[in-house]
Amino acid sequence: EPEVTQTPSHQVTQMGQEVILRCVPISNHLYFYWYRQILGQKVEFLVSFYNNEISEKSEIFDDQFSVERPDGSNFTLKIRSTKLEDSAMYFCASSDGTSDEAFFGQGTRLTVV
Amino acid sequence: QKEVEQNSGPLSVPEGAIASLNCTYSDRGSQSFFWYRQYSGKSPELIMFIYSNGDKEDGRFTAQLNKASQYVSLLIRDSQPSDSATYLCAALNRDDKIIFGKGTRLHILP
Repeated sequence: EPEVTQTPSHQVTQMGQEVILRCVPISNHLYFYWYRQILGQKVEFLVSFYNNEISEKSEIFDDQFSVERPDGSNFTLKIRSTKLEDSAMYFCASSDGTSDEAFFGQGTRLTVV
Repeated sequence: QKEVEQNSGPLSVPEGAIASLNCTYSDRGSQSFFWYRQYSGKSPELIMFIYSNGDKEDGRFTAQLNKASQYVSLLIRDSQPSDSATYLCAALNRDDKIIFGKGTRLHILP
């Protein structure tokens, strides 16, 4: 069964460093999303991406964050100058656009130290 | 702030009984609603989605939607220990964002 894959599964970085989280959405999907979940808290929407541009973003998604689809398969989330409070699980999701179902990857646990 | 509200639980249900999970949403413009299951430390897994008023059944799961009351529920029949997880209610709002509730922890008692 097709699935969304994310790498790495766990990333540890020093405060102030840049990280890139990678996602390979399901191959025929057109809409891509990033969510985050701080430990013990709810899943929060960050950004949606369609047709090679951001379609929606939340107030969390400030200038520190950027997304890119560098080729036909990868979808990345870059976090510049990481802060301690960026520590969270980051989930990528994709949908095919014919229904509203979004399928999630297994997540990347980001730990900023 | 457009919210999705859930009772955090834990909700304890004996094995074999019906588990009933509830959710309310504030954005009347929301069109589609989802129930995700999340095991500790894992990603959300889609169980059901519903967009029409009434009931939608899939195996042991039934989703119910009442748009007038802005209320969504999930029933799990014949509850199994493997159903123990956090259940996230989510709504696709008019801005095309999927907004999640905080989740209800469900514990099935063997």
